Amino acid sequence: KQEVTQIPAALSVPEGENLVLNCSFTDSAIYNLQWFRQDPGKGLTSLLLIQSSQREQTSGRLNASLDKSSGRSTLYIAASQPGDSATYLCAGTKGGSNYKLTFGKGTLLTVNP
Amino acid sequence: KAGVTQTPRYLIKTRGQQVTLSCSPISGHRSVSWYQQTPGQGLQFLFEYFSETQRNKGNFPGRFSGRQFSNSRSEMNVSTLELGDSALYLCASSLIGGMTETQYFGPGTRLLVL
Repeated sequence: KQEVTQIPAALSVPEGENLVLNCSFTDSAIYNLQWFRQDPGKGLTSLLLIQSSQREQTSGRLNASLDKSSGRSTLYIAASQPGDSATYLCAGTKGGSNYKLTFGKGTLLTVNP
Repeated sequence: KAGVTQTPRYLIKTRGQQVTLSCSPISGHRSVSWYQQTPGQGLQFLFEYFSETQRNKGNFPGRFSGRQFSNSRSEMNVSTLELGDSALYLCASSLIGGMTETQYFGPGTRLLVL
């Protein structure tokens, strides 16, 4: 059974700091890895999708990497801003579909002005 | 293009009642997935529909069911509600649920069972 773990559960940093969020998964057969952001009481917003054949994806100040051999993914946020405060979730999929996501519990990020 | 919409946004029910939640996917999207989010279990996959057919189902009891209409709108139904069904129910849509596609989530329906 696929399990996804995110460490730390919560993180508080001062504005401007670069930070890394970690995600580990137990099944190396994972195909895709996605990172989402969830604001309080809201739905999820997709940030980055890394396909099995890729090692990393970048979007603006965000960079996500995927290392299937070690079962780990990281989300790097550069020059953090208060608006980045949210819960960040990683989710993996297996096989040829991308609709059945297995989620981690998330990391609650607080960026202090 | 309008995003995924879910109705109602908030719902209060009592134990034993049943509830129906609705999800309208992004126009052109034919795959709709449902997830339950609770503080203890996090986000868990309920089921996915594509072209009016359930393609996959998570590990939830038969009280949880769903369907999809020809316009791709989807409903999920929970019968005989239990206190533990209190959760945020999220739906997500994509074109066909393919392996390179991003899932687009709606704002969710928050269900409180008293």
